[in-house]
Amino acid sequence: GNSVTQMEGPVTLSEEAFLTINCTYTATGYPSLFWYVQYPGEGLQLLLKATKADDKGSNKGFEATYRKETTSFHLEKGSVQVSDSAVYFCALSPSNTGKLIFGQGTTLQVKP
Amino acid sequence: GAGVSQSPSNKVTEKGKDVELRCDPISGHTALYWYRQSLGQGLEFLIYFQGNSAPDKSGLPSDRFSAERTGGSVSTLTIQRTQQEDSAVYLCASTGVGDRIDTQYFGPGTRLTVL
Repeated sequence: GNSVTQMEGPVTLSEEAFLTINCTYTATGYPSLFWYVQYPGEGLQLLLKATKADDKGSNKGFEATYRKETTSFHLEKGSVQVSDSAVYFCALSPSNTGKLIFGQGTTLQVKP
Repeated sequence: GAGVSQSPSNKVTEKGKDVELRCDPISGHTALYWYRQSLGQGLEFLIYFQGNSAPDKSGLPSDRFSAERTGGSVSTLTIQRTQQEDSAVYLCASTGVGDRIDTQYFGPGTRLTVL
């Protein structure tokens, strides 16, 4: 079946530190991959996406590369800010279905 | 334009009562999704609408859960005979014709508490 596994949190970093949140997936076919973010008190927002192998999604300084050989889509940012504190969800959409299958979410706290 | 809206934002009900949750998608969006976010289960897919039909209902957890969509717009998720394990945040999302079907825009959610 289809599933997403992401590293457990919470992750606590100091401002300007390097961020990696690991995400691996299991899927049949060729899914699209996503990172969604949920800021405190706000709704779920799309952060970035990649639709095929070796694609790199990027937004707001965050990047993730679709690695089919390792079935991974790790989220990275070179220098985090306090405003990046949020819950990050990795997700996949199986081919042609539209629905999203989410990982458990990783809470990121960035301290000044 | 306006985003996806959901009502009510909060709902407290007693065990055994029925509840209705409403979703207004972005105008013109043809696909609509319901998800549930709970502490124990994370974010789970419930049901997907394309227009007024539901080609994928695989995530509905029991026959107490049903959903409909009318006029290709508003959707209602109904939970009958609510149980405490139904307590969760219910999220709605929609996708436009111009987007890939998997680019979804989420509403703020309805927080359901079953006492």
